[in-house]
Amino acid sequence: EAGVTQFPSHSVIEKGQTVTLRCDPISGHDNLYWYRRVMGKEIKFLLHFVKESKQDESGMPNNRFLAERTGGTYSTLKVQPAELEDSGVYFCASSQVTVVNTEAFFGQGTRLTVV
Amino acid sequence: AQRVTQPEKLLSVFKGAPVELKCNYSYSGSPELFWYVQYSRQRLQLLLRHISRESIKGFTADLNKGETSFHLKKPFAQEEDSAMYYCALSPRGYQKVTFGTGTKLQVIP
Repeated sequence: EAGVTQFPSHSVIEKGQTVTLRCDPISGHDNLYWYRRVMGKEIKFLLHFVKESKQDESGMPNNRFLAERTGGTYSTLKVQPAELEDSGVYFCASSQVTVVNTEAFFGQGTRLTVV
Repeated sequence: AQRVTQPEKLLSVFKGAPVELKCNYSYSGSPELFWYVQYSRQRLQLLLRHISRESIKGFTADLNKGETSFHLKKPFAQEEDSAMYYCALSPRGYQKVTFGTGTKLQVIP
C-alpha cells in the first residue's frame, strides 16, 4: 500500500512567485493535515481537512496560503506570493476517521526555499 | 494553549548507555501524548503513544500528570536509535497535533 506522497520533494522559488504543493493521502483516509517546520523551530500545525471540508485552519499563517482538497482526495497548498519567511519543510499527514485517536501517517515533506 | 517543550536540541550518548529524552507539556485538559521519530532520509513516523502503554524498539514513555512530563527512555542505546525525536500532544478525541522542537539523538559507537 502506498504511503502519503508529496510533490515536489524540493522547490526553490523567488520571492513573489507562486508555488503549489501537493499531497496524496493514503487511500481511504478522510483526515488530511498540513504542517510546517521552519528552520530551527518546531513542526507547526497549519490545517486539517475531513474529506473536502476544512475542519480547522487555525494554523494558517496568513491569506497568502490557500489549501484545497477538492473531491476529498489529494490536497494542494498554494503560497502566493511567496515570502522569504515561508521557507521550510511542509509536511502532510493523513489518518482514518475514528472515535479515538489513530496514527497519522506522514509524507516525506516538501522542502521549500524562497530566495 | 497547548505547548510541548523539549529542552535538549542534541543528546549524545555512547552505545549501550541509557537514554532519556525529556518532554514537558502544558495543556488544560487530558491530552494524548506521542513520540514521533524521524530517521535519516526517512519520513516522520509514530514511535509510541501513552495510551498504548507499549514498548517499541526498547523505548518506553510514562505519562506523569503531576510533573506534566512524558520522557522517552531506553535502557541501552543502539546505533540505529540515532534520529530526531519529537514529543507531541493532541486533545483527546481530536488529532490536531502540537509538536515539540525535537531532540537529535546521537548514539556514539
